Amino acid sequence: GAVVSQHPSWVICKSGTSVKIECRSLDFQATTMFWYRQFPKQSLMLMATSNEGSKATYEQGVEKDKFLINHASLTLSTLTVTSAHPEDSSFYICSARVSGLAGEQYFGPGTRLTVT
Amino acid sequence: SQQGEEDPQALSIQEGENATMNCSYKTSINNLQWYRQNSGRGLVHLILIRSNEREKHSGRLRVTLDTSKKSSSLLITASRAADTASYFCATERMDSSYKLIFGSGTRLLVRP
Repeated sequence: GAVVSQHPSWVICKSGTSVKIECRSLDFQATTMFWYRQFPKQSLMLMATSNEGSKATYEQGVEKDKFLINHASLTLSTLTVTSAHPEDSSFYICSARVSGLAGEQYFGPGTRLTVT
Repeated sequence: SQQGEEDPQALSIQEGENATMNCSYKTSINNLQWYRQNSGRGLVHLILIRSNEREKHSGRLRVTLDTSKKSSSLLITASRAADTASYFCATERMDSSYKLIFGSGTRLLVRP
């Protein structure tokens, strides 16, 4: 149980285009999902918290108009990178939190974005 | 900085030896979690230790937590080549946000 999927697993796009990444909790409901970015050989940096039915909350320094997050259902959150640039190339990982006081977070397999 | 610190940054050991990784953090926490990541892949949850716990075991893994020093350690006993990966600690903030703040990670290489 507690499987999180991401789609696509990798994507190459041209500079200036937008890319949508989906994050799904397959066998549980997640009122809260998180989006992280990871550059090569670095740790995960939290970008934003996605709450079902409400606006996402973004970490300091993350442009909310560039990284659009939608959490329309209890099993799906999407991250859209708008007007992508080469510096947006990164590994994007989502996680979904299991409800409860000491809930574990389960991570998706990640999406490798390359902007040319 | 958002991140906690881990040391060592990299660790190379022989198969069968024990590996110890340390993590320090900055804020009060609900729990601390350890994750493993193989190169270019997603994260695998290893173990969660709550703020009121001091030690926890899971198979070959042993985790300690010292909230007074804001530090934790992960011990992998009898290491195997398949344990080669990056290991991250992550702390869940003591607020209602459930945010995880990750440490800088330790790259472990287990030589066969």
